[in-house]
Amino acid sequence: DTGVSQDPRHKITKRGQNVTFRCDPISEHNRLYWYRQTLGQGPEFLTYFQNEAQLEKSRLLSDRFSAERPKGSFSTLEIQRTEQGDSAMYLCASSTRGTNSYEQYFGPGTRLTVT
Amino acid sequence: DQQVKQNSPSLSVQEGRISILNCDYTNSMFDYFLWYKKYPAEGPTFLISISSIKDKNEDGRFTVFLNKSAKHLSLHIVPSQPGDSAVYFCAASPSGTYKYIFGTGTRLKVLA
Repeated sequence: DTGVSQDPRHKITKRGQNVTFRCDPISEHNRLYWYRQTLGQGPEFLTYFQNEAQLEKSRLLSDRFSAERPKGSFSTLEIQRTEQGDSAMYLCASSTRGTNSYEQYFGPGTRLTVT
Repeated sequence: DQQVKQNSPSLSVQEGRISILNCDYTNSMFDYFLWYKKYPAEGPTFLISISSIKDKNEDGRFTVFLNKSAKHLSLHIVPSQPGDSAVYFCAASPSGTYKYIFGTGTRLKVLA
């Protein structure tokens, strides 16, 4: 078990470009979460999936953001027409079903810089 | 509206002593709480959890205490080690959801 992985680790893009991030959860985990963290703040919830179903979305997730988990395994987060305010660390987490389902395990994050 | 607050941005403790990190919350509907440790350029690492039906949970050097009437939880690290130096986040989950609301973190420095 290699834990939650995210790709890429760093992304620099110009304002107005589209970017896509990938998250691979821990293999037996059925829930997957996306958070965003900016400097000096704690992670902020964006959305989560149970298997392939997207069950909750934050109002932070504007129309430019879309997340998918097509086969209930890996997930992608796409940001269209990036803005400088999108610069942040994008974190993915996963959790299992059962007794410890409330414990979320994070990946290393993707740091996005919009210039 | 900050529903989860960590009012101490930083804390310094001597190696071998106890570290106490505090967290306050405003929403009585939170029913599960987590503590994370975060090193620079890494994702948060899960440390310990506590359900609202308990008032204490212990795992090795880490103990979390929950005072529901005061809407306060604390993380005790005994004994503190230099490797514990990191930013610590508390997080709370509203009942009926799996999302977490995080505090702004406390930077712990353990002095050798």
